[in-house]
Amino acid sequence: ETGVTQTPRHLVMGMTNKKSLKCEQHLGHNAMYWYKQSAKKPLELMFVYSLEERVENNSVPSRFSPECPNSSHLFLHLHTLQPEDSALYLCASSQTLTSPSPLHFGNGTRLTVT
Amino acid sequence: AQKITQTQPGMFVQEKEAVTLDCTYDTSDPSYGLFWYKQPSSGEMIFLIYQGSYDQQNATEGRYSLNFQKARKSANLVISASQLGDSAMYFCAMREGRSSASKIIFGSGTRLSIRP
Repeated sequence: ETGVTQTPRHLVMGMTNKKSLKCEQHLGHNAMYWYKQSAKKPLELMFVYSLEERVENNSVPSRFSPECPNSSHLFLHLHTLQPEDSALYLCASSQTLTSPSPLHFGNGTRLTVT
Repeated sequence: AQKITQTQPGMFVQEKEAVTLDCTYDTSDPSYGLFWYKQPSSGEMIFLIYQGSYDQQNATEGRYSLNFQKARKSANLVISASQLGDSAMYFCAMREGRSSASKIIFGSGTRLSIRP
């Protein structure tokens, strides 16, 4: 069983809806990440948090809004999404922000925007 | 700028054979780390192996080993005695040690299919 849990596993939403993705890590890590995985494209880093502070915001549209209330939880709030936002959203955590600390991923949320 | 290249979009290998998945990278930072991940159809990304740029020996983890050729900037993953459960997408990734420490960038992946 993964130490990083994401809910929901699947989400279908209309372009006018507001929804949130949740991520929880049980590994005692200090850093958490959101990645987007679209078909036939490499994983795209969206946001990075270290000790609840955002340290990276990779030119992500404002319709994606992250929240990190504590070092174990990470949210991605979604509103007025576009069909091209349909993708697998992966949450990850790592012990620190530097090598050799690998990322530990959750199972992802498969998002479909209709 | 960081860059990771995986030139093999797909590979078919007979069960029990060894397989090499290619990865080349580009960085101007002398300190960096290289990672390999496996992604089965379930979607979870599974960490396999890590190689640091200053490590003197090639990394090994069970049936996985990393053929690290620093001068050529390549970090190929070798899977020995392949099994049906090895069928998955495999991603090479890199994080620079000093600048952009928070960024781990990924290659486009190689889909490995093991034939019985």
